Amino acid sequence: DAGVTQSPTHLIKTRGQQVTLRCSPKSGHDTVSWYQQALGQGPQFIFQYYEEEERQRGNFPDRFSGHQFPNYSSELNVNALLLGDSALYLCASSLKGGEGSGTDTQYFGPGTRLTVL
Amino acid sequence: LAKTTQPISMDSYEGQEVNITCSHNNIATNDYITWYQQFPSQGPRFIIQGYKTKVTNEVASLFIPADRKSSTLSLPRVSLSDTAVYYCLVGGHTGRRALTFGSGTRLQVQP
Repeated sequence: DAGVTQSPTHLIKTRGQQVTLRCSPKSGHDTVSWYQQALGQGPQFIFQYYEEEERQRGNFPDRFSGHQFPNYSSELNVNALLLGDSALYLCASSLKGGEGSGTDTQYFGPGTRLTVL
Repeated sequence: LAKTTQPISMDSYEGQEVNITCSHNNIATNDYITWYQQFPSQGPRFIIQGYKTKVTNEVASLFIPADRKSSTLSLPRVSLSDTAVYYCLVGGHTGRRALTFGSGTRLQVQP
């Protein structure tokens, strides 16, 4: 059973460029969430997708956008990159779950390390 | 969202039991307590989740007092491979909630 996969593993970009990161959820999961983790900090929620629509969004500017495909995979796009966008970008997948279902755990991928020069 | 407070760092030795306590004074009635473990340059990994009293799995135990304003993650007989950052989170019991991570507790296990 494949877990959450992300690509690429590492990426180097320059300021002003655009980047696309990709995520394939764990088999059977329909919800994908994206997080940004700066060095030494905990992950920060960017947004979440299910049923191919953005459902929740954290405190991130519109430069951060995403997409979910019919096969539940997802992309994170960041435009006009800033030095401060350098971070580990994490994708987590899950099911809706709920009390007593035991299915609410979010599973994280290994992340994509983005460096902006 | 309930805010959590946990120690910034802890040190231990191989074979010892490690207890990490998390304070969450404003926990809501419907909130569950979840702990994640994260190794450097990897995504967080779910360890354990509970609502009240005690929960135990093959990795850890979670102790939650009756008032639920704190919780303690207990790692029995730690090894060097348990060196990681441990995050305490509180929130609703749904796979579609936005997880709110604090700064976590950096556990260093020495030989």
